[in-house]
Amino acid sequence: QKEVEQNSGPLSVPEGAIASLNCTYSDRGSQSFFWYRQYSGKSPELIMSIYSNGDKEDGRFTAQLNKASQYVSLLIRDSQPSDSATYLCAAVASGGSYIPTFGRGTSLIVHP
Amino acid sequence: SQTIHQWPATLVQPVGSPLSLECTVEGTSNPNLYWYRQAAGRGLQLLFYSVGIGQISSEVPQNLSASRPQDRQFILSSKKLLLSDSGFYLCAWSVTGGLQETQYFGPGTRLLVL
Repeated sequence: QKEVEQNSGPLSVPEGAIASLNCTYSDRGSQSFFWYRQYSGKSPELIMSIYSNGDKEDGRFTAQLNKASQYVSLLIRDSQPSDSATYLCAAVASGGSYIPTFGRGTSLIVHP
Repeated sequence: SQTIHQWPATLVQPVGSPLSLECTVEGTSNPNLYWYRQAAGRGLQLLFYSVGIGQISSEVPQNLSASRPQDRQFILSSKKLLLSDSGFYLCAWSVTGGLQETQYFGPGTRLLVL
């Protein structure tokens, strides 16, 4: 059974702080990893993808991947109230059908 | 650029009534298409996926069915809705592309069965 685990939260951070969201996955065959943001009542929106060990930065967002530890994280610098949402982590194994395994999401609250 | 449409946006249906939700993708050819359901406070549950016209794989046994009559059209149906079918239905697409294949979601249909 492929699993992606996330702390459901809520994670509460003050405006301007760094928010750190974490995710672990069980399938060592996973090669592609994604972070989606989902505002309440809306559909998930892709924020970041990462495929190699290390860090990948895009604006205020940094995705980190450690395949040895089966760990993915998302850092949000200078957090804004508009970042308040649920963040979904997804992992995809190579080969076969493209079926992402999603975590249940971490709720992030950025308070002014 | 690619866009994905879902309709209706919101639907309220009585128990036992039929259902038809439609999803279309524009700006790409031969996409992989997916139907997910997200119940209140729950994670994403994959219902069906399709890699081509008429090719449907079911992930969860239930009273729902899916069809793909055209390359960029995916339809979710039910003959008789149950209360437990309430939820947020999301259509998604991806294009086969190796490691960097990425899934994108439509705006969703919120279904309430009463």
